[in-house]
Amino acid sequence: SQKIEQNSEALNIQEGKTATLTCNYTNYSPAYLQWYRQDPGRGPVFLLLIRENEKEKRKERLKVTFDTTLKQSLFHITASQPADSATYLCALDGAGNNRKLIWGLGTSLAVNP
Amino acid sequence: ETGVTQSPTHLIKTRGQQVTLRCSSQSGHNTVSWYQQALGQGPQFIFQYYREEENGRGNFPPRFSGLQFPNYSSELNVNALELDDSALYLCASSLKTGVNTDTQYFGPGTRLTVL
Repeated sequence: SQKIEQNSEALNIQEGKTATLTCNYTNYSPAYLQWYRQDPGRGPVFLLLIRENEKEKRKERLKVTFDTTLKQSLFHITASQPADSATYLCALDGAGNNRKLIWGLGTSLAVNP
Repeated sequence: ETGVTQSPTHLIKTRGQQVTLRCSSQSGHNTVSWYQQALGQGPQFIFQYYREEENGRGNFPPRFSGLQFPNYSSELNVNALELDDSALYLCASSLKTGVNTDTQYFGPGTRLTVL
């Protein structure tokens, strides 16, 4: 069955450094992958989408890569700030499964001042 | 803000009761998806409604049911509540077209506690 894995352990980094989060998937080939940010007790907020034919996508301090050979996406936040502290979720296109998104468990990021 | 609203914000019920959660989708969106999110978990897909018809369902029992109205707002109903139903319930709206990416715009969620 389709499976998504994100860094299970929380990531702690120093302000100003680059945070890198990983999303790995198995058993299928999604047409696209999305990254969301979620703050405690709130709904996820869409950040970026990258398609299977795109290697990299950028938005301000955010960068996403998509390696369909490795079946992996990397999510980078450059010049990180304490306000970037949140849980980051990846979600993949469910393809034939009514195209519903399949979600990872999320990785918690803490940026320390 | 996404423009997606949910009510109520918090709710406390007891086992065996029934609950109705409501969601107003973002203007221009025709699709609503409902998710259950337990603490420390990713969102679990319950079902999706597209133009008032159910359009896909996750692994949830029939006591989880829904509706979508002509204005694309939606309700999630849960009967015979169980303790494990305690979670954050998220509604997300999106615009489903022929070639779309189903980007989800989430509401703030309803925190349901079952005692």
